[in-house]
Parts: sequence; structure tokens; C-alpha cells
Amino acid sequence: AQSVTQPDIHITVSEGASLELRCNYSYGATPYLFWYVQSPGQGLQLLLKYFSGDTLVQGIKGFEAEFKRSQSSFNLRKPSVHWSDAAEYFCAVGARAGNMLTFGGGTRLMVKP
Amino acid sequence: DSGVTQTPKHLITATGQRVTLRCSPRSGDLSVYWYQQSLDQGLQFLIQYYNGEERAKGNILERFSAQQFPDLHSELNLSSLELGDSALYFCASSVSGTTNSPLHFGNGTRLTVT
Repeated sequence: AQSVTQPDIHITVSEGASLELRCNYSYGATPYLFWYVQSPGQGLQLLLKYFSGDTLVQGIKGFEAEFKRSQSSFNLRKPSVHWSDAAEYFCAVGARAGNMLTFGGGTRLMVKP
Repeated sequence: DSGVTQTPKHLITATGQRVTLRCSPRSGDLSVYWYQQSLDQGLQFLIQYYNGEERAKGNILERFSAQQFPDLHSELNLSSLELGDSALYFCASSVSGTTNSPLHFGNGTRLTVT
């Protein structure tokens, strides 16, 4: 069975600072990997996805993520955080021949002015 | 706007009661998923439908049931409600119902059981 761990439940960064959110997965082969963001009162929105190829993927809102097979990780990064980035971020994994995603527990990001 | 519509936005009901949550998928999407989000369990997959047929089942209680209708909208029925069923219930839709088809989430229905 696949599983996803997001080690950081809460993270606080200052506006303009860089950000890295950690995600580790457990799966027997290389899965499909996703990052979603949930703003207060909203559903989840897809930020980016990794299927194959270049291990550094670009997403919306200036986010990027890097797939590292040797570390079973898919960390999300942003070089300069904006106050509007305050939200909860979810990493998700899906089997390549599957039909549903398993989500991590989420990381709540707070941004200090 | 994801294009996925969930109604109602909020539901407050008593223990032992039954409620129905409704979801209209994004235009063109054939698959509907239901997820439950709670503080202690996180985001848990409940059930998936594709073009009217059940495709996958997750951690869905026997007191819960769902279906997808010919017009592709879906309903999640929760019965004999308990306090622990209080949660945010999300519907998501995708084109093909496979993991390489991105999920589009609705804004959820917040269920409070008192």
C-alpha cells in the first residue's frame, strides 16, 4: 500500500523568505506525485504534478518541486513567499496503474509580514 | 472556480439522523470521488464512481453509501450519524478516473453532528 508523510504540521516563514515543504512517500515503484493547496474555506487546488522525465517540475503560483527517487521525496519549494501563500499544502501519491490518490496529513503554512 | 459544485455548504444535524450530500462534477468529467477531511484523520478517500459504476472503495463506513446518477451527479448518504462523523466532505471529479487525470475539488460540505 502507498503512504505519504509530511513531517511538518505547521511552518511559519516571513514574507519574502524562501520555502521548502517536505514530502516523503512509500511505494514499491515510482508513483505519480502531486502537490495540492487548500485555502481557508476552499477545496484543494492542484499546484503541480510529476509523472516522469525531468525531476524538477514547475507549477502554478511560482512553486516547484523536485522528485528524488533515492530519498523517496517530493519536496515543494518557492523562492520568495507572499502573504497570499498562507494555506494548507497536501502532498499526494498515486499508483501508475491506479485510480485514486493517497494524501499526506498536510502542512499548514503561515506567513509573517 | 474548479467547476465542481457541492451542496449544501453546511449541514447541522443530530445524532442518529440521515443526510444526503450532493455533488455535480466539472463538465466533461466522468469520475467522481468522495473524501472526508477531519482534524484527526486528515483527508481520507471514501469511494469513487466512474460513469455511474463504483470503481474503488476506501475507508467508507457501512452506514455510508453513495451513487452516481446517469447525469453524472453523485450523492453521498450518511445514516445513523454519530458525533465522530462531523467533518468536511469533499467531492472531486476527473476526466478518466485514473491517477494521471488531475482531480478537481469542490469547496466541500461541512457536516456538524450534535
